[in-house]
Amino acid sequence: NAGVTQTPKFQVLKTGQSMTLQCAQDMNHEYMSWYRQDPGMGLRLIHYSVGAGITDQGEVPNGYNVSRSTTEDFPLRLLSAAPSQTSVYFCAAGGSGTEQYFGPGTRLTVT
Amino acid sequence: ELKVEQNPLFLSMQEGKNYTIYCNYSTTSDRLYWYRQDPGKSLESLFVLLSNGAVKQEGRLMASLDTKARLSTLHITAAVHDLSATYFCGGSQGNLIFGKGTKLSVKP
Repeated sequence: NAGVTQTPKFQVLKTGQSMTLQCAQDMNHEYMSWYRQDPGMGLRLIHYSVGAGITDQGEVPNGYNVSRSTTEDFPLRLLSAAPSQTSVYFCAAGGSGTEQYFGPGTRLTVT
Repeated sequence: ELKVEQNPLFLSMQEGKNYTIYCNYSTTSDRLYWYRQDPGKSLESLFVLLSNGAVKQEGRLMASLDTKARLSTLHITAAVHDLSATYFCGGSQGNLIFGKGTKLSVKP
C-alpha cells in the first residue's frame, strides 16, 4: 500500500496561473482533507470530503476548489494563484473523526 | 468552533531532562491527537486519545487526556536528541483541527 500520495512534490507558479494539486489514497478511507502549513501557523484545514460527491469548506477555503468524484482521489485546484498561497500543502485520509494519514506534501511557491 | 492552543511554541531542552507540552482546546472534542513532524517531512501519528483519563506511552513519550479540563499533555522523559522535532496536537469534531505546534530542540 502506498497510503496517501501527492503530486507534484514541488511547484513554482506565477501570479494568476492555475494548477491542480493531486492527492490519491489506496486505503479506501471515506474522509479526505487538505491542509496548508505556514511558518508559525500550524496546519490549517482548507477543504474536506466525507465521501465521493461530498465536499465542504474548512478554516481557510478562499482561493481553492475541490471535487471528489472517486473515493481514491481528492484534487485541490488553485484557480488564480496568489503569493499568499505560497505554502506547503498536505493531503490526509482516514476515517471521519479517527486517525488521519498524511501524504508527503507539495511545496508551492507563487511569484 | 473548535480552537486548539499549544504551549510552549518553542522548547529547548537538555538531554536527559523531563518536560511537558500542553494542549488546550476550546470546546468538546471527540478525541485528541498528537503528531510528530521532522523538518521537511510529513506528519507522523503518535497517539490518539479517546476518552477522559486516557494515557498512552511510546518510548520516552507519554500522552494523557483530561476532557473536563479540556487539556492534553505530552510528557517527555529523559529527552534524547532524536526527539528533536515539531509536535502537533489536534482536536476533532469530525474535522481535525491543529494547534500551532511545539518546536522541540534537544541539545547535548
